[in-house]
Amino acid sequence: NAGVTQTPKFRVLKTGQSMTLLCAQDMNHEYMYWYRQDPGMGLRLIHYSVGEGTTAKGEVPDGYNVSRLKKQNFLLGLESAAPSQTSVYFCASSSLAGGPDTQYFGPGTRLTVL
Amino acid sequence: AQSVTQLGSHVSVSEGALVLLRCNYSSSVPPYLFWYVQYPNQGLQLLLKYTSAATLVKGINGFEAEFKKSETSFHLTKPSAHMSDAAEYFCATGGSYIPTFGRGTSLIVHP
Repeated sequence: NAGVTQTPKFRVLKTGQSMTLLCAQDMNHEYMYWYRQDPGMGLRLIHYSVGEGTTAKGEVPDGYNVSRLKKQNFLLGLESAAPSQTSVYFCASSSLAGGPDTQYFGPGTRLTVL
Repeated sequence: AQSVTQLGSHVSVSEGALVLLRCNYSSSVPPYLFWYVQYPNQGLQLLLKYTSAATLVKGINGFEAEFKKSETSFHLTKPSAHMSDAAEYFCATGGSYIPTFGRGTSLIVHP
């Protein structure tokens, strides 16, 4: 099992450019999440999905869009990147069989917006 | 709404000393509680979780946490710190499919 993988690992964008971050999991998990991590702020939830074809907003959704066309993949899009979106992005997945369960995290994507 | 508060953004200990990282929760129902660890340039990984089966929960790498309802706490401890324990530690709660994370505590271990 590869677990949760994220592509790319690093990216530098110019203000106004767009990009898509890909998250893939091979654990057949229903739930998937996108977080951003900034110094002193902990993890903040951007968007999440409770199943294929469904997405919902988290704590900081502005400037981001997501799609879950396949159960194993969760895409995070930035349509017009801004310097405030410079951050480390983590994807996570979990199952909910029997109650709230462990989240499994990817290795992260470090994004810099100039 | 459920939330967690981690007391202290940084904790510094000497190698071999007791590690104590504090987490308090706020919940109107018995919570599910987790501790995660993040090593430099990596994602988070589970240390241990409380699901009401036992108040003292043992995790990986010698860590354990005790659920104290009277104090609404779930502090993380390890009897003897090792240099390899230096990392960021996150307390989290999850009563639904939307977990809530604390802001994290950075553990610094001195030789």
